[in-house]
Amino acid sequence: EIVLTQSPGTLSLSPGEGATLSCRASQSVSNNYLAWYQQKPGQAPRLLIYGASSRATGIPDRFSGSGSGTDFTLTISRLEPEDFAVYYCQHYGDSRTFGQGTKVEIK
Amino acid sequence: QVQLVQSGTEVKKPGASVKVSCKASGYTFTAYYIHWVRQAPGQGLERMGWINPNSGGTNYGQKFQGRVTMTRDTSISTAYMELTSLTSGDTAIYYCARASPISGMTLAYEIWGQGTMVTVSS
Repeated sequence: EIVLTQSPGTLSLSPGEGATLSCRASQSVSNNYLAWYQQKPGQAPRLLIYGASSRATGIPDRFSGSGSGTDFTLTISRLEPEDFAVYYCQHYGDSRTFGQGTKVEIK
Repeated sequence: QVQLVQSGTEVKKPGASVKVSCKASGYTFTAYYIHWVRQAPGQGLERMGWINPNSGGTNYGQKFQGRVTMTRDTSISTAYMELTSLTSGDTAIYYCARASPISGMTLAYEIWGQGTMVTVSS
């Protein structure tokens, strides 16, 4: 089973700043089956990125995903107030494992 | 629109069982796998397993084997997740999510239910 490790655990930033979130896999992710989700308090997760770099329907272009193999990145170019949330990466191959999450909080 | 609507909050005593439902609408229920994911308070996301609504075939995470049963009723486009022998460690929000089509490309979780809070307390 692939283990996903996200870093940092918490990111303290101000609106308008950029954010870079990392997700590292314990072994190579086949077919780039790597997704990113955003979760706000009291809500279900929302799919942002699939296939490592493709934005899901309705996701603003300030969100972008990159990477391959074992190293993946979610970049938020300019943080809007509604972007402060917890972000999870997921390998959606056979094991469907999640990373432990990165909280993006207001500085 | 495509949506999954789950049953309401549950409060159970230790040792009891809980059955959560997930009703699909806006798409062909038997065409997509349904997965179950849980989230303990303040914690991350944990996959529990999946059901093939077409065949009824299931796959459970090792941690839950022997305690979880996933079923479906195709006549009402509803999937169920039953967890037995509950402990306080099972207190969590339980989500269903639509995953890949039965025959087709592998997909991430595009559609989620709203979640069902299950509290286990004496």
